[in-house]
Amino acid sequence: DAKTTQPPSMDCAEGRAANLPCNHSTISGNEYVYWYRQIHSQGPQYIIHGLKNNETNEMASLIITEDRKSSTLILPHATLRDTAVYYCIVRVASTNKLIFGTGTLLAVQP
Amino acid sequence: KAGVTQTPRYLIKTRGQQVTLSCSPISGHRSVSWYQQTPGQGLQFLFEYFSETQRNKGNFPGRFSGRQFSNSRSEMNVSTLELGDSALYLCASSLAGAAQGYEQYFGPGTRLTVT
Repeated sequence: DAKTTQPPSMDCAEGRAANLPCNHSTISGNEYVYWYRQIHSQGPQYIIHGLKNNETNEMASLIITEDRKSSTLILPHATLRDTAVYYCIVRVASTNKLIFGTGTLLAVQP
Repeated sequence: KAGVTQTPRYLIKTRGQQVTLSCSPISGHRSVSWYQQTPGQGLQFLFEYFSETQRNKGNFPGRFSGRQFSNSRSEMNVSTLELGDSALYLCASSLAGAAQGYEQYFGPGTRLTVT
């Protein structure tokens, strides 16, 4: 079973920041949080991942709470092309096994 | 650098047949994982190979098998195909072992239809 909980859907206005929440209250100390997104019928696209510290790359920022029980993916300036299903995943420790949940369908509105 | 490639992209098979799908990881990546995606079950982990050894296996019947070659390319095989095996099969490659926390990159998938 997935170790994460995400809202099934969210809307965001184009040009605004999209903040996607994720709960992972049972995460273990050595388990990473990964974010992927999937545009219809394509392979999932890696966005960002982190262990304890907040992370930022050219696509997004990842904010992990101090207790590591939840995180937020931030897309700073959403565009229509960011419309996709976003998956928050806790990677099983010491493996490359990703357990996907149902994700959040982000709809960016013009 | 070229991404993960999967062949074929589309495949139609008949019940009872077998099928072999291929995945070429990103150059230098040693870990290859396979996933099945269906509308009803979502994305499910099949197995992972690292340095030609199966390291993890999901909850799929023995009809699903795989292997990895010395150049890290991987194949998965499904024998005695069933209608329920119709799915998008995805592979993902990663640079090294999981402890390092490397990202995994997915290929475009192979769309298998069983009739």
